Amino acid sequence: DAGITQSPRHKVTETGTPVTLRCHQTENHRYMYWYRQDPGHGLRLIHYSYGVKDTDKGEVSDGYSVSRSKTEDFLLTLESATSSQTSVYFCAIRFQGGEQFFGPGTRLTVL
Amino acid sequence: GQQLNQSPQSMFIQEGEDVSMNCTSSSIFNTWLWYKQDPGEGPVLLIALYKAGELTSNGRLTAQFGITRKDSFLNISASIPSDVGIYFCAGQLNTGTASKLTFGTGTRLQVTL
Repeated sequence: DAGITQSPRHKVTETGTPVTLRCHQTENHRYMYWYRQDPGHGLRLIHYSYGVKDTDKGEVSDGYSVSRSKTEDFLLTLESATSSQTSVYFCAIRFQGGEQFFGPGTRLTVL
Repeated sequence: GQQLNQSPQSMFIQEGEDVSMNCTSSSIFNTWLWYKQDPGEGPVLLIALYKAGELTSNGRLTAQFGITRKDSFLNISASIPSDVGIYFCAGQLNTGTASKLTFGTGTRLQVTL
């Protein structure tokens, strides 16, 4: 257990609505990541953060934004959810040796 | 984006058998990681490898960092039913600020009694 929690764990929303997912860590790790996992695509990086207010894009960042106003929280926002964003979202933190540890995931369904 | 090639894609074995799977890449990595994912849960780190040629064990699991730095192998000895799940490899190059992981396509393991 790397002290990562994600909320909510499940969410159903409608197309066009904004959605924010939260990742919370308790161990002050500098690096945090958001991934999505889809059948046939595996885990794909959406955005990552290398410190408070320091973020950058991953390979599938279109339609997503992130914010990190304090070390322990990394928020992922879908400004206007689309059905293609139905997925399972994982947050991860990075330890000193480069290993990443994942949260339990959020299952998001966009109708 | 790039994905690492994992083989086999799936395996159906009997309890007690040994299992081998591998991961290959067209580019080199500085770190190889192996994860297991159970249904409805996040990937759990099993083994981390940091040096070409390194062989590391974690209980019944043994993983190796290939000497070319383009591949890695995971072996599970004497499989048990709780080994069922999807196993992912991931490579990391540690460049810049991100140290991003590149993931394999996964090996689904099913174990029968």
